[in-house]
Amino acid sequence: SAVISQKPSRDICQRGTSLTIQCQVDSQVTMMFWYRQQPGQSLTLIATANQGSEATYESGFVIDKFPISRPNLTFSTLTVSNMSPEDSSIYLCSVQWTGAGNTIYFGEGSWLTVV
Amino acid sequence: QKEVEQNSGPLSVPEGAIASLNCTYSDRGSQSFFWYRQYSGKSPELIMFIYSNGDKEDGRFTAQLNKASQYVSLLIRDSQPSDSATYLCAVLGFQKLVFGTGTRLLVSP
Repeated sequence: SAVISQKPSRDICQRGTSLTIQCQVDSQVTMMFWYRQQPGQSLTLIATANQGSEATYESGFVIDKFPISRPNLTFSTLTVSNMSPEDSSIYLCSVQWTGAGNTIYFGEGSWLTVV
Repeated sequence: QKEVEQNSGPLSVPEGAIASLNCTYSDRGSQSFFWYRQYSGKSPELIMFIYSNGDKEDGRFTAQLNKASQYVSLLIRDSQPSDSATYLCAVLGFQKLVFGTGTRLLVSP
C-alpha cells in the first residue's frame, strides 16, 4: 500500500481566508481523490485530481471554491477558498492503489475549523 | 434512493459476540466493495475489500457479497471493545468510491 502524508494536520482559520492542503504519496499513483467529511457525516468526494489535466469535480463542488493542483504522480494540493464556518470539516486525500481490488487508501486528514 | 445505505446504529454487542454490519447499494455495475473502520478523530482505515460473490475471511473479519441482492456485509467475530468505531461501507463505481453513512459499533466489556 501507499504511504500518504497530509499537511497541515489541523488548523484554525479565519473566515474569508484561504488554506492550501498538501498531499504527498511515497509512490507514483494515477488516481488521487479529495474527500470532505463534515462533522457527524460520511465522506463526500470533492474531486478527482488528474495528473496533467484539470481536476474532475463532483456535483456541488466548483473549481473557484476548491482549486486543485496535481503537478506530478506523487503530489496534489487542495485549496479551500474564501472559507466560511460551513467549510469546517476534515479534508482527506486518498489514492487508488492499482493492486488487487483497486483499493483506495486515505491520508491522515486535515482538520479545519473556520472561525 | 441513496447509492450506498447503511443502518447508522449504534449497534451494541457484548464482548466476544459476533457483530454483523450490513450495507446495500444501488448500482448493479459496481465491481469492488470495501469496508473501512473509522475511530473518532481519525481517518478511515481499510479493513477488507471483496469483489467476488461469497465470503472472504481475514482473521476475525469476514466480508460477504451477494451481487444479485446488491448486498454486502461485514462480520466481526469475537468482538473486542477496541472494535468500537464507525464502520463505513464503500462501493467502487466508475473511478469513484461512494461511501455509506456508516454504522456505529459499540462493544461493551
